[in-house]
Amino acid sequence: AQSVTQLGSHVSVSEGALVLLRCNYSSSVPPYLFWYVQYPNQGLQLLLKYTSAATLVKGINGFEAEFKKSETSFHLTKPSAHMSDAAEYFCAVSGGTSYGKLTFGQGTILTVHP
Amino acid sequence: EAEVAQSPRYKITEKSQAVAFWCDPISGHATLYWYRQILGQGPELLVQFQDESVVDDSQLPKDRFSAERLKGVDSTLKIQPAELGDSAMYLCAVRRIGGTPLEETQYFGPGTRLLVL
Repeated sequence: AQSVTQLGSHVSVSEGALVLLRCNYSSSVPPYLFWYVQYPNQGLQLLLKYTSAATLVKGINGFEAEFKKSETSFHLTKPSAHMSDAAEYFCAVSGGTSYGKLTFGQGTILTVHP
Repeated sequence: EAEVAQSPRYKITEKSQAVAFWCDPISGHATLYWYRQILGQGPELLVQFQDESVVDDSQLPKDRFSAERLKGVDSTLKIQPAELGDSAMYLCAVRRIGGTPLEETQYFGPGTRLLVL
């Protein structure tokens, strides 16, 4: 079984500041981990994913995430926030395959202030 | 062209009525998923298809929900009768097959937002 906990339902940063969205997971098998972004009234767009190829994963729009097995974490970061980054972000885990059932966290709403 | 199209985008219905959603992916996606996303929560898998066959419907409320994928391409999700608690976004996703695990993942449609009054 898999589960995901996203710490902080709301994160607010200033434009140009570091973005850090936290995700911890639980999985009974080696996990595949994902970050998705969702804009209002839209579907989910894949930002990046971890498939055991490399612990530091680079995604689209300048985001990256680091897989830390010892901490069971997969936090999402971006060095400099842009206004267009304002959205809801979901961390998800899939056990066994990269296309299996996704178990999502509750989501973190990112607000970016001018 | 979008990889996954969904219709309608928005639906308002009254409780006890029947409602249906459609998912129309570009052909060639063997695996299709329906997720439900209640406001303020992450999506939750309702049903997973492999071609025409259901491979996981453990979270589908089968007394009122049904899903089918005739011919293994497009899919419909039906609710009858709708209840107030069914108000949510219903997302369809497909498995995009690539050459490596890095390319294989689930791609989501824009969703159907349902409001039950």
